[in-house]
Amino acid sequence: AQSVAQPEDQVNVAEGNPLTVKCTYSVSGNPYLFWYVQYPNRGLQFLLKYITGDNLVKGSYGFEAEFNKSQTSFHLKKPSALVSDSALYFCAVRARKAAGNKLTFGGGTRVLVKP
Amino acid sequence: GAVVSQHPSWVICKSGTSVKIECRSLDFQATTMFWYRQFPKQSLMLMATSNEGSKATYEQGVEKDKFLINHASLTLSTLTVTSAHPEDSSFYICSARAGLQPQHFGDGTRLSIL
Repeated sequence: AQSVAQPEDQVNVAEGNPLTVKCTYSVSGNPYLFWYVQYPNRGLQFLLKYITGDNLVKGSYGFEAEFNKSQTSFHLKKPSALVSDSALYFCAVRARKAAGNKLTFGGGTRVLVKP
Repeated sequence: GAVVSQHPSWVICKSGTSVKIECRSLDFQATTMFWYRQFPKQSLMLMATSNEGSKATYEQGVEKDKFLINHASLTLSTLTVTSAHPEDSSFYICSARAGLQPQHFGDGTRLSIL
């Protein structure tokens, strides 16, 4: 069975400081990894994905994530956080050969960027 | 980018009525659509997966007669909550995917049953 862990329920950061949201995963074989962001009363917006290739993936709104196979991690990062980045962030994994190719989500991390 | 439209965004209805939620992929053909339920301050719970033209595959514990899913075309899937009761009140989110591309999500439907 595949699983995703987001160890922090909430991350607080001052505007302009670096932001990191942690994610570790467990899956059979090579993974597809995703980050999504959710604003209040909205669905999930796709930020970035890792499929293959470079371990550092760049996505929308200045976010990036680094795939680390040995640590089974896919932490989301942004060099300089904005107040508008305050939202709920979800990491997700999908096994390349999973039956039905279902996404498994982490529990989510709430990010609060203070001015 | 890929756009998924979900309608309605908010619905309030009396206990015992049925509610239909629509999910459309506006600029791509969705070979697979997913329906999720999200409780307050929690992650998404997958309810069912549907492929165009075939019956939906429901997750364990999800009543297929309660939550009817129809995926009639490559751009439209519907979720009907039949004989809704207050415990069905929740935030329902659909998602669509073309092949092995990332899933794209609708904006969700907040369902309140009185």
